[in-house]
Amino acid sequence: AQSVTQLGSHVSVSEGALVLLRCNYSSSVPPYLFWYVQYPNQGLQLLLKYTSAATLVKGINGFEAEFKKSETSFHLTKPSAHMSDAAEYFCAVSKGGGNKLTFGTGTQLKVEL
Amino acid sequence: DTAVSQTPKYLVTQMGNDKSIKCEQNLGHDTMYWYKQDSKKFLKIMFSYNNKELIINETVPNRFSPKSPDKAHLNLHINSLELGDSAVYFCASSPQGSSTDTQYFGPGTRLTVL
Repeated sequence: AQSVTQLGSHVSVSEGALVLLRCNYSSSVPPYLFWYVQYPNQGLQLLLKYTSAATLVKGINGFEAEFKKSETSFHLTKPSAHMSDAAEYFCAVSKGGGNKLTFGTGTQLKVEL
Repeated sequence: DTAVSQTPKYLVTQMGNDKSIKCEQNLGHDTMYWYKQDSKKFLKIMFSYNNKELIINETVPNRFSPKSPDKAHLNLHINSLELGDSAVYFCASSPQGSSTDTQYFGPGTRLTVL
């Protein structure tokens, strides 16, 4: 079964610092991987996705993620955190047959002055 | 224009009642979904419809019944509500339901069962 594991349920960074949110996947076949962001009291919004094209994927708001098959990872990074990045971030893997998304447990990002 | 909308945004009700949540998308997508997000923010898919046909039906109590009158609408009816049904319910849609599709989420409906 395909699944994702997000290490660290809470991450705190200073404004301007590097953001690194970790996601590891478990899959018997090459997966399709997604990062979604959820701002307080809102629905989820796609940040970026890996669909077997380029391994370095660029998304919205300056975020990017690199698919590393050898490490079964798809970590999300942003060079410089902004206060507006404070939100819950979810990694997800897609399984065929109806595009079933299986989400990780989420990482809450806090950005401090 | 709201892409995926849900009504109501908040729903407070007593145990044992029956309630419905409505979802509409104006993106022209073929596939719609219902997700449940619990108090720990864990998200789990409940149902998926493609062109009004049920595609995914996870292990959900049969008190939950989705209905898709057309491909732009997917409603969720819940019978005999229980305390454990309290959660935020998200509707989503995607173009075709393929594995690489982006899913577009509604704002959520916060259900509180007293």
